[in-house]
Amino acid sequence: GDSVTQMEGPVTLSEEAFLTINCTYTATGYPSLFWYVQYPGEGLQLLLKATKADDKGSNKGFEATYRKETTSFHLEKGSVQVSDSAVYFCALRERTALIFGKGTTLSVSS
Amino acid sequence: NAGVTQTPKFQVLKTGQSMTLQCAQDMNHEYMSWYRQDPGMGLRLIHYSVGAGITDQGEVPNGYNVSRSTTEDFPLRLLSAAPSQTSVYFCASIFSPQGGTEAFFGQGTRLTVV
Repeated sequence: GDSVTQMEGPVTLSEEAFLTINCTYTATGYPSLFWYVQYPGEGLQLLLKATKADDKGSNKGFEATYRKETTSFHLEKGSVQVSDSAVYFCALRERTALIFGKGTTLSVSS
Repeated sequence: NAGVTQTPKFQVLKTGQSMTLQCAQDMNHEYMSWYRQDPGMGLRLIHYSVGAGITDQGEVPNGYNVSRSTTEDFPLRLLSAAPSQTSVYFCASIFSPQGGTEAFFGQGTRLTVV
């Protein structure tokens, strides 16, 4: 079945550092891809998404590009802030539901 | 338009007790699903539904039952709670506008089984 693999954390960065969180997927066809963020004690928030190959999703300084050739959707941000500390989930749309990766915890220190 | 409403937000059960987690959406979405979130495991699909009267198992269905008698409601039942079911549960609904995907999540239920 479809699956998502994302880099394990935790990822610890200093403020203003560059962030990359790797995500690769296995799927039949070309699913929609998503990044969700979960701040401590809160629910899931959609961060960005892409629906077809070469699409770039972006939001709040975060970006991810749908790479069909490498089946990847890596999350990047040029300069992280303390407020970006959270758990990040990569996900894909299988026909009937979303399939999630295991999540990557990001901790940013000042 | 309230989105996805999930109740309760918190619940403590004793081993062997039963309960139902409620999930309702007012957006007329066909697809609904239940997930559990555990540390280091991400969100794992428990059950899903593609419409009223149609449900199917996800990755971790054991110990849970679902039904979908209406488009709006998709309750999750624990018939005999076990400590291994201590988790945070999320309900979601999905629809596909013009081939895209919009997903809506409830606020979650934190369940503790003692």
